[in-house]
Parts: sequence; C-alpha cells; structure tokens
Amino acid sequence: NAGVTQTPKFQVLKTGQSMTLQCAQDMNHNSMYWYRQDPGMGLRLIYYSASEGTTDKGEVPNGYNVSRLNKREFSLRLESAAPSQTSVYFCASSSPGLGLNEQFFGPGTRLTVL
Amino acid sequence: AQSVTQPDIHITVSEGASLELRCNYSYGATPYLFWYVQSPGQGLQLLLKYFSGDTLVQGIKGFEAEFKRSQSSFNLRKPSVHWSDAAEYFCAVGARMGTNKLIFGTGTLLAVQP
Repeated sequence: NAGVTQTPKFQVLKTGQSMTLQCAQDMNHNSMYWYRQDPGMGLRLIYYSASEGTTDKGEVPNGYNVSRLNKREFSLRLESAAPSQTSVYFCASSSPGLGLNEQFFGPGTRLTVL
Repeated sequence: AQSVTQPDIHITVSEGASLELRCNYSYGATPYLFWYVQSPGQGLQLLLKYFSGDTLVQGIKGFEAEFKRSQSSFNLRKPSVHWSDAAEYFCAVGARMGTNKLIFGTGTLLAVQP
C-alpha cells in the first residue's frame, strides 16, 4: 500500500515549457486535490476533484489544468510555465466517511521555472 | 470569509521544554480541525484531528490539542519536546457539510535547541 505517489520528485523548466505532474493513490479514495506550497503562504488549493469525472477550481487555478483520469489518478498540467509557478506541489486524497475530510498527502514535486 | 491564522511564523524551544503552537480560525460554524506536521523535504502527516466530543484530543508522537469554541482556537501542545520534533506545523479546518476541502494556516516552523 503505497498511499499517494507523485512523479516526478524534482523538475526544472524554462519559461514557456509545458509539463504534467502525475499523482496516483491506491486507497480507493473518492476525492483528490492539488496544492502548491510557497514560503509563508501555507498550502493553497489549485484544483480538486470531489469524485471521478468531476473537477473544480480552488483558490489559485490560473495557469493550471487538471485531469481526473480515473479514480486512482489525478494529473496537473502547466501549459506554459512561468517563474511564478516555481513552488512545491502536493497531491492529496480523501474519502467521505473515512476520517471525514482527513487528507493524505504525497511526498511532493519541487518545480523550478527559470 | 473562512480563514486560519497561525500567529507564530517561527518558534525555537529547548529540548525537553514544553511547547504550544497557536491556531485561530474564522468559520461560520464549528469546523473539523486538524494539525499536520511536515518534516524537511517531506509531505504532510496528520498529527491529530477534532470532530466532536471531548475537546482535548490526543495525537501521535505525544502531541495533544484543545478545541476552545469561545476563543475559536485549536492550539497544539506537547509537554516535552524532542529534537526530532523540529518541523513545520500546519493547522487546517474543514467544513462539516459539502466538499472535503481544507483551509490551511501559513504554518509555524519549530526549531529545537539542544
């Protein structure tokens, strides 16, 4: 039982390049989330998926797109990376009735945009 | 608007000393309350959570937190800090109904002196 996994762990991009961050969970959770973490700002929600087939914007969605590929996988795409998107990205999952809102986090992806 | 405030950005304590990390929230009703810990380079791990009942909750690693409705607070405590407790601590709140989204505070970075 790996929990929540994220790939890659580290990535360096040039401004304007695109990339997709991958996230998968093996806990059969319904809900999945993407956060970014910046110094002094805590975790801010980018997008979330309450259940398979649905996605919704969070607090800071601009510049990002997401795909809930199936119940296990939730990817985050940067179409044209900008230096302001340099951050640590965390994926999380949760399931109603399983600890009510308790979220389980992946190890993170550290992204640098030059 | 819903918000979580962690007034202390950085705290330093001596090993063996007691610890209290503050968390205040602004919410329309009593939310679900969480404390997470993040060790350097790692994802977030749940320390403890409050849903209902006893307002003093016990968590992992010897931590406890007390929910005080009158003060809209959920402070984290530990009687005797160990060097391995050095990490960043995040308070979070979640709605009792609707989505499973969480709102995070900006975090408190704990340093432990030998």
